[in-house]
Amino acid sequence: SSELTQDPAVSVALGQTVRITCQGDSLRSYYASWYQQKPGQAPVLVIYGKNNRPSGIPDRFSGSSSGNTASLTITGAQAEDEADYYCNSRDSSGNLYVVFGGGTKLTVL
Amino acid sequence: EVQLVESGGGLVQPGGSLRLSCAASGFTFSSYWMSWVRQAPGKGLEWVANIKQDGSEKYYVDSVKGRFTISRDNAKNSLYLQMNSLRAEDTAVYYCARAIAPDYWGQGTLVTVSS
Repeated sequence: SSELTQDPAVSVALGQTVRITCQGDSLRSYYASWYQQKPGQAPVLVIYGKNNRPSGIPDRFSGSSSGNTASLTITGAQAEDEADYYCNSRDSSGNLYVVFGGGTKLTVL
Repeated sequence: EVQLVESGGGLVQPGGSLRLSCAASGFTFSSYWMSWVRQAPGKGLEWVANIKQDGSEKYYVDSVKGRFTISRDNAKNSLYLQMNSLRAEDTAVYYCARAIAPDYWGQGTLVTVSS
């Protein structure tokens, strides 16, 4: 099965821009989805498809993709954005297996 | 409002069985793939299984194949996960989620496998 690789931890100063990346072969064929998870809570979808935000997700969240790398960008990070972020995608085998990245802990300084 | 409510978690001995349920409301359940995703204590998310709208296709992560069975009852708007031959490493919060790239998640139910 495929794997998705994320940096374990990233930090950003309040109000600055941060990019969280996700690498994997399956991303050459499928878009990544991105999830935000705060302690003790269920994950929340923040980006899906090419660059789509569900209703209620601030427009400071955006997504992009190039080759085998998907990125989640937060432009003007806020204190409430401190959380774990996970990418996911379909497996590159062509059937409907799913894989999650290991997660990135975002700290807002 | 989309709601997914899991139940059935608890403490079980290694080798035991447990059946998780997920009650769905606020959307046309029979129109969506559904998934189970788990999270071990202090660890990341792990996809467990998914099932097609009519139940005709099911997929599992390798570590649970032959032990877990995903199923659904569209008449009851319910998703299930039958877990057999449970191991300590199956200890996790189990989330019910809508779609293959989940857009809605339940709050999860904790499964603890321990003697």
